[in-house]
Amino acid sequence: ETGVTQSPTHLIKTRGQQVTLRCSSQSGHNTVSWYQQALGQGPQFIFQYYREEENGRGNFPPRFSGLQFPNYSSELNVNALELDDSALYLCASRDRDRGFNEKLFFGSGTQLSVL
Amino acid sequence: AQTVTQSQPEMSVQEAETVTLSCTYDTSESDYYLFWYKQPPSRQMILVIRQEAYKQQNATENRFSVNFQKAAKSFSLKISDSQLGDAAMYFCAYSYTGTASKLTFGTGTRLQVTL
Repeated sequence: ETGVTQSPTHLIKTRGQQVTLRCSSQSGHNTVSWYQQALGQGPQFIFQYYREEENGRGNFPPRFSGLQFPNYSSELNVNALELDDSALYLCASRDRDRGFNEKLFFGSGTQLSVL
Repeated sequence: AQTVTQSQPEMSVQEAETVTLSCTYDTSESDYYLFWYKQPPSRQMILVIRQEAYKQQNATENRFSVNFQKAAKSFSLKISDSQLGDAAMYFCAYSYTGTASKLTFGTGTRLQVTL
């Protein structure tokens, strides 16, 4: 049990719609990162937030955006959904201020299907 | 850009036997970390073992050990005394020490454990 929970576990949307995925981290985890895992692939880094500010971004378009809240929860928002956005979305959190040796804790992900 | 390559899409091992999963990577950095993660059907990424690039000694965690060849940019995982519970997807991952939450993953190796 990692203490990182994601909701919902599964979601079906239609192309062009908008979606919000949620992640609740352990208390004290000031850094959250989001990953997209397409079928048969390894996870790809989308972005990370540190103390509520975006602090690093992968090769994803601006329609992928996020928020991090003071209560250690966070959101991933995707606008104008495309079929290729169908994937497992994972969030991971850690306490960055305790140094690199602090483990990254992953949630179980949200499976998004875009029809 | 960093890349991680896993050339074995699937591997099979008999219970109690030993199996080695391969991984190569490419980076221009000298200070970085390498990881092996396990992803069971529950989808949650579980850290198996971690290696700091500055350490010459190979990391070990119980039945899991790595063969880290820095000059060859090779990082293989050896699982000894394989158990049925070891069956999962295994991902090799890289992280530059300055971006601890940003992992670059390989495409994974599916490990089957047979009786």
